Amino acid sequence: DAKTTQPNSMESNEEEPVHLPCNHSTISGTDYIHWYRQLPSQGPEYVIHGLTSNVNNRMASLAIAEDRKSSTLILHRATLRDAAVYYCIQGSYNAGNMLTFGGGTRLMVKP
Amino acid sequence: DGGITQSPKYLFRKEGQNVTLSCEQNLNHDAMYWYRQDPGQGLRLIYYSQIVNDFQKGDIAEGYSVSREKKESFPLTVTSAQKNPTAFYLCASSSQPSSGGQYFGPGTRLTVL
Repeated sequence: DAKTTQPNSMESNEEEPVHLPCNHSTISGTDYIHWYRQLPSQGPEYVIHGLTSNVNNRMASLAIAEDRKSSTLILHRATLRDAAVYYCIQGSYNAGNMLTFGGGTRLMVKP
Repeated sequence: DGGITQSPKYLFRKEGQNVTLSCEQNLNHDAMYWYRQDPGQGLRLIYYSQIVNDFQKGDIAEGYSVSREKKESFPLTVTSAQKNPTAFYLCASSSQPSSGGQYFGPGTRLTVL
């Protein structure tokens, strides 16, 4: 079973920021938080990951709560190409980089 | 260019036939994975391999088999014992040990008629 919970769907307007929430209340000290996204009929694409500190890369930012029981993926300016299913995954570093995918959040971007 | 290739993109088979899906990577990754995805659902792990000549069952291994004779290759066989084989199959790889990402192939959509 997936260890994270996410809203089934969210909507955003083009060129506005998007905040995608994720709860991972059972996370252990060595578990990383990974985000992937998947466009229709394609394989998932790695977005970002983090452990404790907030992380930024060219695609997105990841804000991790101080107690690590939740996190938020931030897309700073949504584009139509960002419309996808976003998966938040609690991954164990010590388990061979095993990832368990849940249902994800379907992000719809309106022009 | 480095990456993962899966072939073919679409595959059709008759019920009762075994079929082997190809997955090749040139990323020099130690670990490789096979996932299954059904419409509107997340990915479920079938098998994974952390090193050549070794692999472990994932959450839904029944009716599937794999081999890992070379670092670059991790073929998946869908046997006739798999009750509902029609699905989208995704292969991935990652460096090991790693806290980073898995790189996914484009997937193979298998339809059993």
